[in-house]
Formats: sequence, C-alpha cells, structure tokens
Amino acid sequence: KAGVTQTPRYLIKTRGQQVTLSCSPISGHRSVSWYQQTPGQGLQFLFEYFSETQRNKGNFPGRFSGRQFSNSRSEMNVSTLELGDSALYLCASSLISVGGTGTQPGKAFFGQGTRLTVV
Amino acid sequence: AQSVTQPDIHITVSEGASLELRCNYSYGATPYLFWYVQSPGQGLQLLLKYFSGDTLVQGIKGFEAEFKRSQSSFNLRKPSVHWSDAAEYFCAVVRRDSNYQLIWGAGTKLIIKP
Repeated sequence: KAGVTQTPRYLIKTRGQQVTLSCSPISGHRSVSWYQQTPGQGLQFLFEYFSETQRNKGNFPGRFSGRQFSNSRSEMNVSTLELGDSALYLCASSLISVGGTGTQPGKAFFGQGTRLTVV
Repeated sequence: AQSVTQPDIHITVSEGASLELRCNYSYGATPYLFWYVQSPGQGLQLLLKYFSGDTLVQGIKGFEAEFKRSQSSFNLRKPSVHWSDAAEYFCAVVRRDSNYQLIWGAGTKLIIKP
C-alpha cells in the first residue's frame, strides 16, 4: 500500500508570492490533516479535512487555506508569503476522523513533508 | 490553556544506555496519548499509543511508555538505545471530548553517543 505522498519535497519562494502544496493520502483514508513544523515550535496544527469538508482549523491567519478533493487528495495554499512561513509542512492521513462520533482517533500516517523556504 | 510539554529539547545518551523521554499534558480528563518519532529526512511514525486499559504500553522498535494519571505524564522509555534511535520524538494527545485534533509537544531530539 503506498504511503502518504507530498509534493513537492522542496520549494523556494520569495516574499509576497503564493504557494500550493499537495498531499495524496493512503488509499481509502478520508481524513487529511496539515501541520507546520518549525524548529523549537514542534508541530502546529493547520487544519483537517474529512470527506471534502474542513472539520477543524488551527490558529493560523487566513492566508493559509486548504481544500480536499473527492479522491481525498488535499491541497494547502499560502498566499502573500512571509519569511516566517519558512517551515516543513507535513500532511497526515487517517482512516477516520473522530469528529464527535465517540470513536477512537485513527492512527495518523505522515508524509515526508514539503520543505518551504521563503526568501 | 491546553498543552503538551516535553521539557527536554535535547537528550544525549550513550549507545546501550537506557532512555526516558518525558511528556506531560494539562487536561482534566485522560486524553488519548501518542508518541511519534521523526528520523532525519523522514515523516513521522507512530511508536505507540494509549487509549485505555493497561497503563504500560508496548510499541515498535523496543519502546514502551507508561501512563501515570496522578502525574499527567506519559513518558517514553527504552532499556537500551541503538545508534539508529537518533531522531526527534514527539508526544501528542487528543482530547476525548473534542473533534479529532492532535495537540503536539515541541519534541525532544535524541542524540546517541558512540
């Protein structure tokens, strides 16, 4: 079974530009979550999509947005890039989203990430 | 505020020595608890998780973790580390009364001395 695929792996952009990152989850997984990882900050949750709907959102500005397609692939977009947006962006897929159903959270599988550098 | 604390940013141990990585959380009720490992250039991999039951859980790669309710802790242990264990380790929790959202610690970088 193929793992979680994130593209591109590395990206260099200049301030003010916008960027789109892609995540293809494991086949059959419907939940995709996005995280920003910076040194010393750990992983900061951006948002989660489940069956094309945003289920949860972290505390990031509106410049960060995402969407999920019917095949569960997800994209994350950052507009008007700032130097502080330089980070490793990780996507995680899981089979289910708890979403108040009372079920236990599924195991999350992570992609290798996209390393974004803003200059 | 809800938080997960990993008090050690870096830990250095000798190969073959024992290891304990600390994790504390600040919720009233017991959350779901996870440990993930991120090796250089790799994505995050789940080591083990605790949902309920036996408070000592076994994971992959010889790791175990013990949930201590009284201390709000979920420390990760390994009796004898190998050079290949050098990585960054993240503790994460999911509140039982929330939508699925992993709250992450800042991570502990494990350095192995030969």
